[in-house]
Amino acid sequence: DAKTTQPNSMESNEEEPVHLPCNHSTISGTDYIHWYRQLPSQGPEYVIHGLTSNVNNRMASLAIAEDRKSSTLILHRATLRDAAVYYCILSTGNQFYFGTGTSLTVIP
Amino acid sequence: NAGVTQTPKFQVLKTGQSMTLQCAQDMNHNSMYWYRQDPGMGLRLIYYSASEGTTDKGEVPNGYNVSRLNKREFSLRLESAAPSQTSVYFCAGGWVGGEQFFGPGTRLTVL
Repeated sequence: DAKTTQPNSMESNEEEPVHLPCNHSTISGTDYIHWYRQLPSQGPEYVIHGLTSNVNNRMASLAIAEDRKSSTLILHRATLRDAAVYYCILSTGNQFYFGTGTSLTVIP
Repeated sequence: NAGVTQTPKFQVLKTGQSMTLQCAQDMNHNSMYWYRQDPGMGLRLIYYSASEGTTDKGEVPNGYNVSRLNKREFSLRLESAAPSQTSVYFCAGGWVGGEQFFGPGTRLTVL
């Protein structure tokens, strides 16, 4: 069984914020939450990661629920270059557990 | 800096043939990883190496062997390829609990 659950697809208008949800109800106390994105025919690219507190970087923000059973990746202003498959991942030590990802379409 | 490089980019094998996928990184990462990605799926960890000289199994290790030749290089070997091993293979370098940097992938077809 997958450790993370995400919607298969989402759409957003260009220059609007996007909230990508992820459920990880079986997360353990030492699991990190990671988000990567993947363009067609490329390897995944790091977006953001966190453990308990909300995190911000130049690409996105990560909001983690207080019970850590869910999280949301926030893209503040979607651009056409943000169209990709976004993976929510749990890591335990060296092991990454990918879900099936959300395919984000950005509408001009 | 090339980052993480993989060779070959594409490969077609017949059932029972063997081959080695090569991966090299120039980012001085201690840890290196091999994943496979089947159509419409997320990546699954095959093997990883936390440091030079060590290797450990991931989620789907059956049918594969690995070798951490030195800090830069981590190879994946298929001893007797099967059609179920048709997939895209990604190598990555990184740090425990932190960011991983992925290579461009090797698309393998086993007939």
